[in-house]
Amino acid sequence: QVQLVQSGGEVKKPGASVKVSCKASGYTFTSFGITWVRQAPGQGLEWMGQISAYNGNTIYAQKLQGRVTMTTDTSTSTAYMELRSLRSDDTAVYYCARDHRGYDLSHYYYMDVWGNGTTVTVSS
Amino acid sequence: SYELTQPPSVSVSPGQTATITCSGRKWGDKSACWYQQKPGQSPVVVIYQDTKRPSGIPERFSGSTSGNTATLTISGTQAMDEADYYCQAWDGVFGGGTKLTVL
Repeated sequence: QVQLVQSGGEVKKPGASVKVSCKASGYTFTSFGITWVRQAPGQGLEWMGQISAYNGNTIYAQKLQGRVTMTTDTSTSTAYMELRSLRSDDTAVYYCARDHRGYDLSHYYYMDVWGNGTTVTVSS
Repeated sequence: SYELTQPPSVSVSPGQTATITCSGRKWGDKSACWYQQKPGQSPVVVIYQDTKRPSGIPERFSGSTSGNTATLTISGTQAMDEADYYCQAWDGVFGGGTKLTVL
């Protein structure tokens, strides 16, 4: 079945970096994009950015520009999200999700398969 | 940038209709989607491209957009529908979320 399996939880100190992986299976990896979303404790969903698994093109949320890098490895059908210069407010559950973007009478963008989430805790 | 505004909470009795709104942009030729998230679980898309339901999502879930407002409607709400609901715009922006309580 189609699934995304994420790497395990991480505990990092402020200023460090974290790299979360997201391994896809059950579908043609390069036919879809991967979106990254995070959720701070007790808070809502925050869109972080998106990468095309077809050509590697990326779009990042403005507030994370310069600190986040999204990549893919098509040989292993794995997407990665690296966040640098971590702060305490980066503490969150990080999700990857398979996305659909396009135009069909209107522009659309949605995620239909989500990973299990990776908890990243930033604490001194 | 802009924000999508949702009511923080909506309460409904079992069997009644729940309506959750999402406002803050002129939808026009940009579609909305909706996610359901239960505690400790990953989100699940329940409506995409304004009105479409993924396979496996009950028919009681429906969506619409008009002017500046996208709406998620749950007809005949069941206890299992109690969850947080988020709208999302075509450029990735999420609404703040609505906690649906089925009393």
